Order: sequence, then structure tokens, then C-alpha cells
Amino acid sequence: ETGVTQTPRHLVMGMTNKKSLKCEQHLGHNAMYWYKQSAKKPLELMFVYSLEERVENNSVPSRFSPECPNSSHLFLHLHTLQPEDSALYLCASSLGSGGLGSGANVLTFGAGSRLTVL
Amino acid sequence: QKEVEQNSGPLSVPEGAIASLNCTYSDRGSQSFFWYRQYSGKSPELIMSIYSNGDKEDGRFTAQLNKASQYVSLLIRDSQPSDSATYLCAVRVDTGRRALTFGSGTRLQVQP
Repeated sequence: ETGVTQTPRHLVMGMTNKKSLKCEQHLGHNAMYWYKQSAKKPLELMFVYSLEERVENNSVPSRFSPECPNSSHLFLHLHTLQPEDSALYLCASSLGSGGLGSGANVLTFGAGSRLTVL
Repeated sequence: QKEVEQNSGPLSVPEGAIASLNCTYSDRGSQSFFWYRQYSGKSPELIMSIYSNGDKEDGRFTAQLNKASQYVSLLIRDSQPSDSATYLCAVRVDTGRRALTFGSGTRLQVQP
């Protein structure tokens, strides 16, 4: 258990469904991230929230909609997805905005949500 | 050019040997470098971080950084079958960004 909990662990949905992925961190971190991991490709950053404000958005299609109601919770709302969106979605968190050598860049990942779009 | 490049492998080494994993990055302004290990079906976990040129040792692991050559490596001494995993190199490529940029990972197989 890393202190970052993701639910559900597995999700199968049709292209017309609406579903949400949830992430919760118990580490006292103040930044949260969504990454997408597809087979044989690098982890792709999707969104970054710092102090509940979205600070990075990597040209993600609008069918993915993030929500960060507080510094401990992060959601990824999914609607009208495509089969190519099938992947492992990883949530991560980190602490603070300190300088070099601080914990600011140390990401702690959740176990991931394996999404299959039919 | 990819921002962070790794050989996908698999890299196969016998048990007890030294495994050497390499990573190159494109942004000369990069400041922070990390190695994550990811077992099959699991999430990445941090094993090493390095911020300045030279070597950093932690148990059987040694990270090496050469900013002039834009190169970072991970050495695993006395490799064990339990070290078999995918090793992800991650770089903070811009001081204005919080997130890390990852390579696609090198799969390591340690043969008993």
C-alpha cells in the first residue's frame, strides 16, 4: 500500500458510457497527477493539480475531464471514450514546491485503474 | 527526438552479475533524475534519485549522472531474480514544471 488509493482497479465500459476514476492520497501531499500508461509507450502525463488548481494539461481530449475537489482527492471523468483509450491510468501525488533535492518531484503512484473500452 | 530515451530491452543478465541500465535525455536544463521500478501488473515505485553529477549509491543500486553527456544510468550489483522488472527513467525537464517526463522503460530479466 503506497498511500495512494485508486478505484476501481478494473473498468470495462462501452463507448457511450460515462464513468469516473477516483484517486485518494493519505500522504499529506499537495499535488496530484493523472498519467496514462499504454503498452510499450512511455507514461504520458495527462493532468497536474497543485493545491487543487490545474497547473498542467497535456493536450488531452475533452472526453477526459479531471476534477480535484481538495488536495486529497482526484477524479477522472470519462465519457464517449474510444477503444484506443484502453490503458492503465495511474494517479500519483507529490509534496510541496521545494527546491532541488526536496520531495517536490518524488511521485508516489497508486496501483492504477485498468480501463478497457469496448 | 524523444525527451527521455531508454533501450526497451529485454536486458538479460545472469544472477549475481551487474545489470547496467542507461537513459539519455534531450533537455540540457534538466535538474532532477529518477529511476522507478515497475513489476508486471504493478505501479511504478521510486528506487533512486540523483541531482548532481557523479555517482550515488544505495545498497546494491548505483545511479550515475553525467549532465555534459545528458546521460543517466542505473547499476544493479549482485542482480537477483527479484530484480526482474521494467526500470523507468524519469526527468524533470523544465524548472517551471512539477511533473516528470518518463522514458518507455527497460525490461530487465535476471536469469537464475
